[in-house]
This record gives sequence, C-alpha cells and structure tokens, in this order.
Amino acid sequence: SYELTQPPSVSVSPGQTARITCSGDALPKQYAYWYQQKPGQAPVLVIYKDSERPSGIPERFSGSSSGTTVTLTISGVQAEDEADYYCQSADSSGTLFGGGTKLTVL
Amino acid sequence: QITLKESGPTLVKPTQTLTLTCTFSGFSLSTSGVGVGWIRQPPGKALEWLALIYWNDDKRYSPSLKSRLTITKDTSKNQVVLTMTNMDPVDTATYYCAPSYCGGDCYYINWFDPWGQGTLVTVSS
Repeated sequence: SYELTQPPSVSVSPGQTARITCSGDALPKQYAYWYQQKPGQAPVLVIYKDSERPSGIPERFSGSSSGTTVTLTISGVQAEDEADYYCQSADSSGTLFGGGTKLTVL
Repeated sequence: QITLKESGPTLVKPTQTLTLTCTFSGFSLSTSGVGVGWIRQPPGKALEWLALIYWNDDKRYSPSLKSRLTITKDTSKNQVVLTMTNMDPVDTATYYCAPSYCGGDCYYINWFDPWGQGTLVTVSS
C-alpha cells in the first residue's frame, strides 16, 4: 500500500534552518500539504500545494518538491516552532498522512 | 470565521458503535466544492484519515476502515456525522473534523483547514 515516509525526528538550534522531508512514490503527481501540531492542540496547515503558504503563516515556513520527495523548510527556527509536523497527500483511494516528524529546537 | 466542533461519547465499550457529530459554522456544505472530513489520532501516534463527504453527497472512505464507517451530512443543521461500528480498544483516539475544498476536479482529496479542537474517545470495558 502507498505510504508517506518522514524521519521520526529532526533537531536544530535556534536561528538555524530545519528541513523535514516526506517521501512517496506518488508525490511527483500529487500535491503535498504540511501541518504543524503542538502538544494538546489540533493540527494547523502551514503549507499547501507543495509550496503555498496560507495567510497568517510566517514567511520562514516554505515548501518544495523534487521527484518523490517534498521538503518543509523552516528558516531561522524559533523556539515556538518546536512541534510535530505531518505531510499529507492524495492517492486513488483517498488521502493519507505521513508518520510525523518531531522537530526539537535545541 | 470558520469553526468546527466535534461531539460524541468520551467512552464506548468494545463492540459498540461510535457516533460522532461535527457541527460547523462559517461555510456551507451546500456550496459546490466543499467537503468535510474526519481524521483521528491515537495517543502519541500519527494522524489517520477516516472519511470525507462532499457537498454533492460523494463519500470517500479509508480503504482499511471502509467496512466499519458511514459518513452522512445534514446541510440544514451544518452537521456531518460519522459512525464507526464494532469499536475496539485500538480505536481509542482523538477524532477531528475539518473542511476540505476541491476545485473542478474532486477526484483527489485536498488539504484540510482549519481543524476542530478534536474529541477524545476511549474504548474500554
């Protein structure tokens, strides 16, 4: 069955750049979406259509796509960016989420 | 402003049927291209998509749970209802609802935004 694969964890120091990847065979043909989830809160959309940023999301959040991998990049990471991040994409059966990546700000 | 709120039992027994209601405001399920989906998250685990219903009553289900799920809508009440049969302790999770919009092509499901606060459902005898 189709899967979206994310690294379980990424660590970065404040002010540095964090890159979180999501891999899936259908990603060259389907858009990816990214969500941020802080403890005890509902997920929040931070990127849609691979690289579009919703209103209200800081410019330091960006997305890109290359082949079977999409990447969420957070430039100038701040302590408040520590959270779990999930990618989502579609397939012919519906939609699915990656396993999530915990971003730790050291 | 779009808001959604999930409601239903916090505790169900194994083998029982779970019924959850998503009540929303700020958009209408009678508008072309609008859908509402359900997503769940077991404690400490990843998000899992369950089902989605569109304005035209097109319904989509997770293949792995399709036999247990039913999604319906009441446009006049701004509600979407999800039922899940034969509940098991592994179904213990926070259940979220969220809108998803499609353009002319609604074959593929798009992003969900915004999400409701979620409701924790525990399955235990």
